[in-house]
Amino acid sequence: GQSLEQPSEVTAVEGAIVQINCTYQTSGFYGLSWYQQHDGGAPTFLSYNALDGLEETGRFSSFLSRSDSYGYLLLQELQMKDSASYFCAVRDRGNRDDKIIFGKGTRLHILP
Amino acid sequence: DTEVTQTPKHLVMGMTNKKSLKCEQHMGHRAMYWYKQKAKKPPELMFVYSYEKLSINESVPSRFSPECPNSSLLNLHLHALQPEDSALYLCASSQDPRGGEQFFGPGTRLTVL
Repeated sequence: GQSLEQPSEVTAVEGAIVQINCTYQTSGFYGLSWYQQHDGGAPTFLSYNALDGLEETGRFSSFLSRSDSYGYLLLQELQMKDSASYFCAVRDRGNRDDKIIFGKGTRLHILP
Repeated sequence: DTEVTQTPKHLVMGMTNKKSLKCEQHMGHRAMYWYKQKAKKPPELMFVYSYEKLSINESVPSRFSPECPNSSLLNLHLHALQPEDSALYLCASSQDPRGGEQFFGPGTRLTVL
């Protein structure tokens, strides 16, 4: 079947670095996306990896290894405003149609 | 214009009502999406329109009926909903129907009584 696994919660200290992992199992694969969602808000796109390697955008970086069906989101210099839920998502190339699947989300708690 | 707008922000309806949710984007995106999100859960894909044609229907009950009048607009018509359909309904769009970057609207908080 198709599934994405990510930790349900992660806690880190302000100013530190945190990594949120995502492993996936799909029948086909276009790429791995990451979204941030604050309570009461809508998901906001953070990054997309279609090829292996590291993509860096400011304090956020995302990594993909297609051979390991694994990716991660790295957040540096954590700020209190980074407290949110983070979702990995894949577009699965199905037999008939593409499917878009979100992981269950990782709740990131930032401690002062 | 780099945003997706949705109306209304909040909607309360009875199980016999008919209502519609509206979504609009002016970024020239070719794909538009409807998601349903329950509290503390991930978004669940409902429908995808690619180049104004329905390309994905994730086995959504017929009481939800999508419509794409043109490349900028997406509607979701609601009829005879159940209380368990209460959720946040999110619209999103993307430039590439097979790309990974989706822009989400703020959502419509729906309550079915």
